[in-house]
Amino acid sequence: KAGVTQTPRYLIKTRGQQVTLSCSPISGHRSVSWYQQTPGQGLQFLFEYFSETQRNKGNFPGRFSGRQFSNSRSEMNVSTLELGDSALYLCASSTAGTGDSPLHFGNGTRLTVT
Amino acid sequence: EDQVTQSPEALRLQEGESSSLNCSYTVSGLRGLFWYRQDPGKGPEFLFTLYSAGEEKEKERLKATLTKKESFLHITAPKPEDSATYLCAVQGSQGGSEKLVFGKGTKLTVNP
Repeated sequence: KAGVTQTPRYLIKTRGQQVTLSCSPISGHRSVSWYQQTPGQGLQFLFEYFSETQRNKGNFPGRFSGRQFSNSRSEMNVSTLELGDSALYLCASSTAGTGDSPLHFGNGTRLTVT
Repeated sequence: EDQVTQSPEALRLQEGESSSLNCSYTVSGLRGLFWYRQDPGKGPEFLFTLYSAGEEKEKERLKATLTKKESFLHITAPKPEDSATYLCAVQGSQGGSEKLVFGKGTKLTVNP
């Protein structure tokens, strides 16, 4: 069974630009979550989608947004990039609520903002 | 607000030298406590879920335990391939959300 796939693996952007990251969950998983990982703050929750609806959102500015498609694939967008947005962005999927359903993570997209 | 604190931040062991990692937590209504392993350049890899105080789970050289305030990850006779950052996370009762709150991790180095 294929794992969570994130594309691209690496991105270099300039301040003020916008970026879109993509995530394909494990087949059959309907919940997709996004996390930001930095050395100082660790993993911080961005948002979660289930059946194309945002179910929860973390404490990030409105520049961070996401969406989920009918096939459960998800994208997140960051507009007006700032230097502090440089981080590893991780996507995770789960079956959501059906018994033991831990989050399974992809290997992330490393975003560098210059 | 749910919180997770892990200690120590870093731990160096000799191969075969057993030890424990600590995860202290506060959460409103624990749905689950999770342990993950993360290797450099990769995403976290799921290890265990614990649901209630007194529960224990084992996998190879790892054993996770849970009390009402903390969890321990015991590593017995570690090998160099156990070197990684170990992350603890809690999932609270937040209207069915899958949100996890993570600690900052313990970086384990096992020397041969």
